[in-house]
Amino acid sequence: ETGVTQTPRHLVMGMTNKKSLKCEQHLGHNAMYWYKQSAKKPLELMFVYSLEERVENNSVPSRFSPECPNSSHLFLHLHTLQPEDSALYLCASSQEGARYNEQFFGPGTRLTVL
Amino acid sequence: TQLLEQSPQFLSIQEGENLTVYCNSSSVFSSLQWYRQEPGEGPVLLVTVVTGGEVKKLKRLTFQFGDARKDSSLHITAAQPGDTGLYLCAGPRGGSQGNLIFGKGTKLSVKP
Repeated sequence: ETGVTQTPRHLVMGMTNKKSLKCEQHLGHNAMYWYKQSAKKPLELMFVYSLEERVENNSVPSRFSPECPNSSHLFLHLHTLQPEDSALYLCASSQEGARYNEQFFGPGTRLTVL
Repeated sequence: TQLLEQSPQFLSIQEGENLTVYCNSSSVFSSLQWYRQEPGEGPVLLVTVVTGGEVKKLKRLTFQFGDARKDSSLHITAAQPGDTGLYLCAGPRGGSQGNLIFGKGTKLSVKP
């Protein structure tokens, strides 16, 4: 595997379900990100992890819970979601301290909440 | 609040045509990045522009950073169906090196 991978690629869940999204980066980076991409909105930064510590939480509801067990893996745990949470969830990685913080994205998980 | 405004929002053209898309802000950015996102995939970095007035070329794509570092443009010559996708510009938040803010993007469709 190369680059940034995400699983699953598609997920349909009910409002009472609990599920997790997984991201893995094979680039040796030390920062990882979760973004939400909805129609007609810019990419919204949700969480940032640098050196496995959460450094940013952009007012994301508590029904989204991130976890970063090591610098290569990032999870997003989901519970009691709302239909408006349906979106493409993108994971990205970068090298902290790199001059322009260029980010490398995974293919995303298309989430549908019924 | 920093914002990146991209225009046009949608663009549908025939193969072989030229086009330009824009990324504008009222804020100064130390650098701007352009990404392309194909359907069903994540964004892929195309280029970073860092100097006011800079022009960078990537095959048929020409990127320009405005002199005042508040805007950027992407010009595609002789567009091909493989150029179809969402073109996003992004810049560091807070005007310094750090997390990125993104524009809403320009959705380009190139018909054969």
